[in-house]
Amino acid sequence: AQKVTQAQTEISVVEKEDVTLDCVYETRDTTYYLFWYKQPPSGELVFLIRRNSFDEQNEISGRYSWNFQKSTSSFNFTITASQVVDSAVYFCALRNDRGSTLGRLYFGRGTQLTVWP
Amino acid sequence: DTEVTQTPKHLVMGMTNKKSLKCEQHMGHRAMYWYKQKAKKPPELMFVYSYEKLSINESVPSRFSPECPNSSLLNLHLHALQPEDSALYLCASSQGVYRNFYGYTFGSGTRLTVV
Repeated sequence: AQKVTQAQTEISVVEKEDVTLDCVYETRDTTYYLFWYKQPPSGELVFLIRRNSFDEQNEISGRYSWNFQKSTSSFNFTITASQVVDSAVYFCALRNDRGSTLGRLYFGRGTQLTVWP
Repeated sequence: DTEVTQTPKHLVMGMTNKKSLKCEQHMGHRAMYWYKQKAKKPPELMFVYSYEKLSINESVPSRFSPECPNSSLLNLHLHALQPEDSALYLCASSQGVYRNFYGYTFGSGTRLTVV
């Protein structure tokens, strides 16, 4: 079974603080893809990153960084020097590569991040 | 063009109305998806189209009827909806559903209210 757990329902920080959003996943497949999406109040899901299961390199993009660890089935997301515009719901998602479930994106329940000025 | 465009952005309909949601992309993607998202919940998959053919129906009630007239267009026809169907309906597209998958592009959604 595929499952994504985002244990943090809500996080509040003050601007310029660093914040890490946790994501733990479960899958029996050896080939899978992990994603992070941002959903601001306007509703659209904004793609942030995709990582496949064979690529454990961490990635940094500006103030965003991702730590992928297969050993702990985690794909955590860190925002450095947070800003008010980072306030949104963040979803971690998993897609596997197996026949009958192709095309399904399994979402975590999301983490509401609020950044206060 | 790297967008998925959904219209209308907001829709209020009565339980006896018939309406349609529209989704369009011009990225050459061959897979398109409908998701339903209730407040404070993650998106839930409803339908998947691959090469204009319905490949996944997540046991969605028949009052939701999807249609894919061509590779760029996806519709969701609504009829006799219930108030609990009020939600954000998101459309997405991807290059394909099969291997060598590169990711989804989501539209901004249609906020549907059933009264």
